[in-house]
Amino acid sequence: AQSVTQPDIHITVSEGASLELRCNYSYGATPYLFWYVQSPGQGLQLLLKYFSGDTLVQGIKGFEAEFKRSQSSFNLRKPSVHWSDAAEYFCAVGDISGTYKYIFGTGTRLKVLA
Amino acid sequence: NAGVTQTPKFRVLKTGQSMTLLCAQDMNHEYMYWYRQDPGMGLRLIHYSVGEGTTAKGEVPDGYNVSRLKKQNFLLGLESAAPSQTSVYFCASSYFKGLRTEAFFGQGTRLTVV
Repeated sequence: AQSVTQPDIHITVSEGASLELRCNYSYGATPYLFWYVQSPGQGLQLLLKYFSGDTLVQGIKGFEAEFKRSQSSFNLRKPSVHWSDAAEYFCAVGDISGTYKYIFGTGTRLKVLA
Repeated sequence: NAGVTQTPKFRVLKTGQSMTLLCAQDMNHEYMYWYRQDPGMGLRLIHYSVGEGTTAKGEVPDGYNVSRLKKQNFLLGLESAAPSQTSVYFCASSYFKGLRTEAFFGQGTRLTVV
């Protein structure tokens, strides 16, 4: 069965520091992978997505993610975090094999220290 | 362009009461979803639909029913609310069309069952 694991429930970084949020997935074929961000009291906004091709994808707000098939990972990175990046981040896999569902991880809550 | 609109945004129910949450999308998407979000559990799929007139169970369907009589609307019903259904509910809609594949989310409905 498809699944997504985000091993870090909470992460705290200082403003200006680099960031990496981990995501591992289980999927039988080449996955459609997504990172979404949720600010407090808001819905989810797409940061970036990967379908095929170049394994390093760029997204909005200066985020990027790297797909590593051998590690079943799709980690999110940002070189320099801003206080406004404090939010909850969700990794998801889109099941294109027939069910057309999105399976989400449990999320990582990012805290940014001034 | 409104995107995905959820109604209502907040609701308090007494145990045993019923209610319907409405989701409307104006992007002509085939696929629609209802998720619930609980602390530490990420987004869990309740029910989804792959087209007008179709519905399918997700991972936590018990206690909920859905209908998709019109392509643009997806209704989530609670026939007899229980405190365990206190949650934030998100509706999403999607294409699954290559590079356009992406889920769009509503702003959420915060439901409290007392």
